[in-house]
Amino acid sequence: SQQGEEDPQALSIQEGENATMNCSYKTSINNLQWYRQNSGRGLVHLILIRSNEREKHSGRLRVTLDTSKKSSSLLITASRAADTASYFCATDGGSNYKLTFGKGTLLTVNP
Amino acid sequence: DTAVSQTPKYLVTQMGNDKSIKCEQNLGHDTMYWYKQDSKKFLKIMFSYNNKELIINETVPNRFSPKSPDKAHLNLHINSLELGDSAVYFCASSPGQVGEQYFGPGTRLTVT
Repeated sequence: SQQGEEDPQALSIQEGENATMNCSYKTSINNLQWYRQNSGRGLVHLILIRSNEREKHSGRLRVTLDTSKKSSSLLITASRAADTASYFCATDGGSNYKLTFGKGTLLTVNP
Repeated sequence: DTAVSQTPKYLVTQMGNDKSIKCEQNLGHDTMYWYKQDSKKFLKIMFSYNNKELIINETVPNRFSPKSPDKAHLNLHINSLELGDSAVYFCASSPGQVGEQYFGPGTRLTVT
């Protein structure tokens, strides 16, 4: 069964605003990751949060993880037009060698 | 320097043909993967290899045969192509069993 489900499917904001995307998953995990995919490109790893962590920061990114609710959120602060992309969460389902991706959130940042 | 590279970038072919996609990583990683991304951008794992050995085959039809001649290469051969094989195929690598993965630019396969 699919692990990650992002919400919303699409998000349109103005430059300078914050963007929040959510991810829900179904089984236990070792870690949860967020990736970005620009149109026509491969995925780029943004941040990894382990199951025993609750919050992690990287530059303008803030990720939270609530294992009791099996959910995570990605916050991008002070968004820029260059942040326009699809964002995916991925979980390992507690196993090795395999990531299961959600359907992604398409973020559009308007200049 | 390109970390994970794939060739070709675009592949257009007819049903029934056989085609291959090549992947190379220069990161020194032990683990490599193939993913399929459909038209709705849903990304699904197909295969995982560790040190040239198949670890995961995610119920992929046996028309798909991965080959890893060495740790740095993982190629994907597809026999008897079908319309439903049209997708973007991504190769990825990672230094270990878990953790971040590094993706190639993708190969857009169109079967007509």
